[in-house]
Amino acid sequence: DAGVTQSPTHLIKTRGQQVTLRCSPKSGHDTVSWYQQALGQGPQFIFQYYEEEERQRGNFPDRFSGHQFPNYSSELNVNALLLGDSALYLCASSRDFPYEQYFGPGTRLTVT
Amino acid sequence: GQNIDQPTEMTATEGAIVQINCTYQTSGFNGLFWYQQHAGEAPTFLSYNVLDGLEEKGRFSSFLSRSKGYSYLLLKELQMKDSASYLCAVRPRNDYKLSFGAGTTVTVRA
Repeated sequence: DAGVTQSPTHLIKTRGQQVTLRCSPKSGHDTVSWYQQALGQGPQFIFQYYEEEERQRGNFPDRFSGHQFPNYSSELNVNALLLGDSALYLCASSRDFPYEQYFGPGTRLTVT
Repeated sequence: GQNIDQPTEMTATEGAIVQINCTYQTSGFNGLFWYQQHAGEAPTFLSYNVLDGLEEKGRFSSFLSRSKGYSYLLLKELQMKDSASYLCAVRPRNDYKLSFGAGTTVTVRA
């Protein structure tokens, strides 16, 4: 049974560029959440997708957007990248509320 | 908003016991989670408390007091592989996200 998978593992982008990160949830899970984790900090909630819609959003600007597909996989898009967007981006999947979330290995994004 | 506090660092000796405290202030409450995160890796689920009391799972136990907004994670018979960051996370009532503390880095010495 595959767990949560994310791609790519690492990514280097330049300021102003756009990036798309991908996530496939654990089998049987229908809810996907995205988190940003800066070095030495806990994960910060970006948004959650359920039934292909954004169900809840954290305190992130509109440059951060996402999508969920019918097979429950999800994408995170970040436009107009800033140096401060450099972080580990974690995808977490779960069966619907209130079950525990299982995290993927993350995508390490570096913005230069 | 949510305010979740836990110590930044703790050091202990192999075979010993360490207790990591977490205090929280949230708008309602619907469960507290503990995750373990090794450097450069994803958080892995350790425990979930929604009612007051102690939940034991092998060498790890987690305690919750909702009236005090307090939890702790107890790690017994410490092993070198337990060196990691331990994250306390709260799910507020009527909320879908997890709000995380900054994490406690535990270093186990031989």
